[in-house]
Amino acid sequence: GENVEQHPSTLSVQEGDSAVIKCTYSDSASNYFPWYKQELGKGPQLIIDIRSNVGEKKDQRIAVTLNKTAKHFSLHITETQPEDSAVYFCAARRTGGFKTIFGAGTRLFVKA
Amino acid sequence: NAGVTQTPKFQVLKTGQSMTLQCAQDMNHNSMYWYRQDPGMGLRLIYYSASEGTTDKGEVPNGYNVSRLNKREFSLRLESAAPSQTSVYFCASSAEGRGFSGAGANVLTFGAGSRLTVL
Repeated sequence: GENVEQHPSTLSVQEGDSAVIKCTYSDSASNYFPWYKQELGKGPQLIIDIRSNVGEKKDQRIAVTLNKTAKHFSLHITETQPEDSAVYFCAARRTGGFKTIFGAGTRLFVKA
Repeated sequence: NAGVTQTPKFQVLKTGQSMTLQCAQDMNHNSMYWYRQDPGMGLRLIYYSASEGTTDKGEVPNGYNVSRLNKREFSLRLESAAPSQTSVYFCASSAEGRGFSGAGANVLTFGAGSRLTVL
């Protein structure tokens, strides 16, 4: 079935450093790739997404890259801050498919 | 706006008991979802409803039933709870559905979660 693998499961960085989280997906028909951030005690919230007709997207300190051939996509956070500490989930889905498949999550710690 | 509201936030059940998790959204979204979150396994889709009056199975539907009561409300029922159903449950909604597939349609808005423990 459809599967999304996410690495690493835990990531610890110093404030100001960059953080990179990587995901791979199995369903070649996937064409929408969102990233969600979950803070303690809250539901996940979308932070950025990318569609398959785009290779890269940036929003301030956050960027996502997509390699459709290799079925890889990544989240890059630059100049990390303590408030970036959270669990991050990558996900994949097909347009009109209604099923968003999530990775297992990455717990990011940003040390001040 | 409240967004997506789930009740209850916490619940402890004994094996074999039944209960219903309630979810309501005030964004006029077409689609609604129930996910469960377990350590190391991310979010797994239990059931979804693409529009009022329709429901479909997700990745892990066994042991659950759902009802799309109206456009706003989507409930999840455990008829005979088992310890394996101990989890945090999230309801979500999205605009995608009848007549809407534009930018942002796929974005999921989640509730705050319901922590369920089955003893």
